[in-house]
Amino acid sequence: DIQLTQSPSFLSASVGDRVTITCRASQAIGRYLAWYQQKPGKAPKLLIYGVSTLQSGVPSRFSGSESGTEFTLTITTLQPEDFATYYCQQLSDYPRTFGQGTKVEIK
Amino acid sequence: QVQLVQSGAEVKKPGASVKVSCKTSGYTFAGYWMHWVRQAPGQGLEWMGWIIPNSGETKYAQKFQGRVTMTRDTSINTAYMELNSLTSDDTAMYYCARGFLDSSGRSLDYWGQGTLVTVSS
Repeated sequence: DIQLTQSPSFLSASVGDRVTITCRASQAIGRYLAWYQQKPGKAPKLLIYGVSTLQSGVPSRFSGSESGTEFTLTITTLQPEDFATYYCQQLSDYPRTFGQGTKVEIK
Repeated sequence: QVQLVQSGAEVKKPGASVKVSCKTSGYTFAGYWMHWVRQAPGQGLEWMGWIIPNSGETKYAQKFQGRVTMTRDTSINTAYMELNSLTSDDTAMYYCARGFLDSSGRSLDYWGQGTLVTVSS
């Protein structure tokens, strides 16, 4: 199975901060990487797919990038509604694994 | 608008089976794969498999092979996930999620609200 390792697992930040979350794949996955946001008690919400394509309706402060097997989700100017847990997922191979999650909390 | 509405919470005893439904609306059911993902309390997301509504073809994660069955009823635009031989480790929120594919990549773009399955004696 392809392992996805997210870092950090926990992040404390303030409104207005720039936040970066990394997802490292154990092997090449091409551009089959998506990012999801999950708030407590809610289903995950798709933010980005294909490494950097913003899902319709998602604010432009969210962006994605890659460098080899390392993928990054960046939130510029963190907003109060962005405090949540973020997951990456690879859709290159089976099983379609997820990272362990990064919880972004208010400092 | 696209909607995936799942069946209600279930409480099952160890060794029993559970069948969760996912009723869809707002799009062509047969045109998109349906994935199932689960999340144990306080834990991360775990992909279980998918079904192609058009053909009924399925793909399951090795972990669930032999214990999970995904089906669909195209006449009512509904997908189902049945899990057998339940143990306490199967206590989790179960989600259906629509698979999306375009030139940019793949994703799970719409999710059901989740169905909590509790396994307890």
